[in-house]
Amino acid sequence: DTEVTQTPKHLVMGMTNKKSLKCEQHMGHRAMYWYKQKAKKPPELMFVYSYEKLSINESVPSRFSPECPNSSLLNLHLHALQPEDSALYLCASSPQGASATDTQYFGPGTRLTVL
Amino acid sequence: AQSVTQLDSQVPVFEEAPVELRCNYSSSVSVYLFWYVQYPNQGLQLLLKYLSGSTLVKGINGFEAEFNKSQTSFHLRKPSVHISDTAEYFCAVSGIQGAQKLVFGQGTRLTINP
Repeated sequence: DTEVTQTPKHLVMGMTNKKSLKCEQHMGHRAMYWYKQKAKKPPELMFVYSYEKLSINESVPSRFSPECPNSSLLNLHLHALQPEDSALYLCASSPQGASATDTQYFGPGTRLTVL
Repeated sequence: AQSVTQLDSQVPVFEEAPVELRCNYSSSVSVYLFWYVQYPNQGLQLLLKYLSGSTLVKGINGFEAEFNKSQTSFHLRKPSVHISDTAEYFCAVSGIQGAQKLVFGQGTRLTINP
């Protein structure tokens, strides 16, 4: 299995809802990442987990809460989002615990719309 | 801190023509350099990366890039493009110390015309 999978593909939620995004990889990678990508913009790093521990939080608002239950799974819990949080949320993984030389492998993303 | 400038937001090219996508970076520390491609409705895929050694790096799908330290550039080239190369191309940098934090350029939309 050489891919990163993300569910759901699309998500529409209201500002008072609680939802979660899920990311999974079975490549034995030891680092996992969340990115936010607005339309026609580059991805922006949100969080990095290395060996199941949060190693980077790019000052993301607390309405986004990451969770890494095990080395294959990464969740992003969403609560009280704003319409400006609508974006494509990309998950990635890399083999060596977020080593600077690593290649990141990206999933197809979850397209989130906040009403 | 690092930053990346991709000088062209859009590049239209005819099929089988050569193409160069330009990337310049700024950093106070040594960096590693990457080119990623994003096909429509997909995630990103690594084309190539420069870590050290030869400044000419060859990647997948016939792409290559040349690292030029004096000009702080990492331009991407392909001698003959195909319709299937239509995509968004991102240049990215990461400092060589600590965990990888990719900083992406704004992207270049490559459109191949028949």
